[in-house]
Amino acid sequence: GEDVEQSLFLSVREGDSSVINCTYTDSSSTYLYWYKQEPGAGLQLLTYIFSNMDMKQDQRLTVLLNKKDKHLSLRIADTQTGDSAIYFCAGLRGNQFYFGTGTSLTVIP
Amino acid sequence: ETGVTQSPTHLIKTRGQQVTLRCSSQSGHNTVSWYQQALGQGPQFIFQYYREEENGRGNFPPRFSGLQFPNYSSELNVNALELDDSALYLCASSLDRIDTQYFGPGTRLTVL
Repeated sequence: GEDVEQSLFLSVREGDSSVINCTYTDSSSTYLYWYKQEPGAGLQLLTYIFSNMDMKQDQRLTVLLNKKDKHLSLRIADTQTGDSAIYFCAGLRGNQFYFGTGTSLTVIP
Repeated sequence: ETGVTQSPTHLIKTRGQQVTLRCSSQSGHNTVSWYQQALGQGPQFIFQYYREEENGRGNFPPRFSGLQFPNYSSELNVNALELDDSALYLCASSLDRIDTQYFGPGTRLTVL
């Protein structure tokens, strides 16, 4: 949707780091989320960050939040072919989640 | 595995028909939300049910309706199907209305 913008495609080589970016307009969301969707499947929650944090690390995943610029990023270290999927950032406005259009990550062996 | 299941996996209907999609939430989750995901798009919020009552609706017409039952199951009903209703329909359960949502695998609806 228009509240969240993501670049559509990203291609990286296996073993490299991937960085997926997201900008959002609504700063009221208490949490910001990253979801992963594999072809034909539902959304898998990857990680989330509380809005008063700058960074959160969870194994290979690092989330950076710049509240001033309303910019959220997801870094995947040592990207594997199994990481190929569509990644959505999402916020929560009231009780309603709003999603970006997703970034399609392709990992080249 | 999120513990959220949906049925059926796929469904084909014709324009004008009615359809019921089903979702089983995680045990203990009082809230279920439904989303429509058109091809190449992010999910769009349809509505949310909390303790069996509608608790917010997105920009969808009244022919989209829902039910939530005490046993953590819920339904999405769509009347007078249109071609544009073809999409992946996702349900998501959460402990409460503004908690983290856990998604089911979705039902792929095709309207011919």
